[in-house]
Amino acid sequence: EIVLTQSPGTLSLSPGERATLSCRASQSVSSYIAWYQQKPGQAPRLLIHGASSRATGIPDRFSGSGSGTDFTLSISRVEAEDFAVYFCQQYSSSPTLGPVTKEPTFGQGTKVEIK
Amino acid sequence: QVQMVQSGAEVKKPGASVKISCKASGYTFSTYYIHWVRQVPGQGLEWMGIINPRGGSTTYAQKFQSRVTMTSDTSTGTVYIDVTSLRSDDTAVYYCARGAVVPLARFDYWGQGTLVTVSS
Repeated sequence: EIVLTQSPGTLSLSPGERATLSCRASQSVSSYIAWYQQKPGQAPRLLIHGASSRATGIPDRFSGSGSGTDFTLSISRVEAEDFAVYFCQQYSSSPTLGPVTKEPTFGQGTKVEIK
Repeated sequence: QVQMVQSGAEVKKPGASVKISCKASGYTFSTYYIHWVRQVPGQGLEWMGIINPRGGSTTYAQKFQSRVTMTSDTSTGTVYIDVTSLRSDDTAVYYCARGAVVPLARFDYWGQGTLVTVSS
């Protein structure tokens, strides 16, 4: 199983500040990393896939980077609606195969809270 | 617009089974793989398995292989997950999520979640 470790556990920021969230994989996942935002009582929302591609409708203040084992989600200027929990997820399976051959896994989450 | 609408909350006793539905709309149902993910309250996310709605082929996470069955009904655009031999640690929110047109496990649309409570 590929273990994803997110840091920090909690990030306390004021609106307008920059957020930098880290996700480290226990082995290389190439660029098969997605980031999700989850607010209380809601389902996760896809922000980034392929490590750096923004999902449809995601504001450009969200950006992703990294490859191999180290990944970063950045929020250039945090807005009130961005205070939430963020999860990274790896999906390092070959799209040319049939069924998924490696189980996707998630990080434990980083909470972005108002300072 | 794409929507994934799940069935309502369930309360079950230990040892019972639960079947949750997920009705997809707003896209060609048979084109995209669908996954199930669960979340124990206050904790992280756990992938349970994948189904190809076209043909119904499945792959389950090793942890759930003996207790989970996923099925699809292309006539109604609905997928189902059946979890048997429920235990208290199966208390969680269960989500269906749309994957991709290939079996890549990243999820662009999610159902609203179904809370399953297992308690005697």
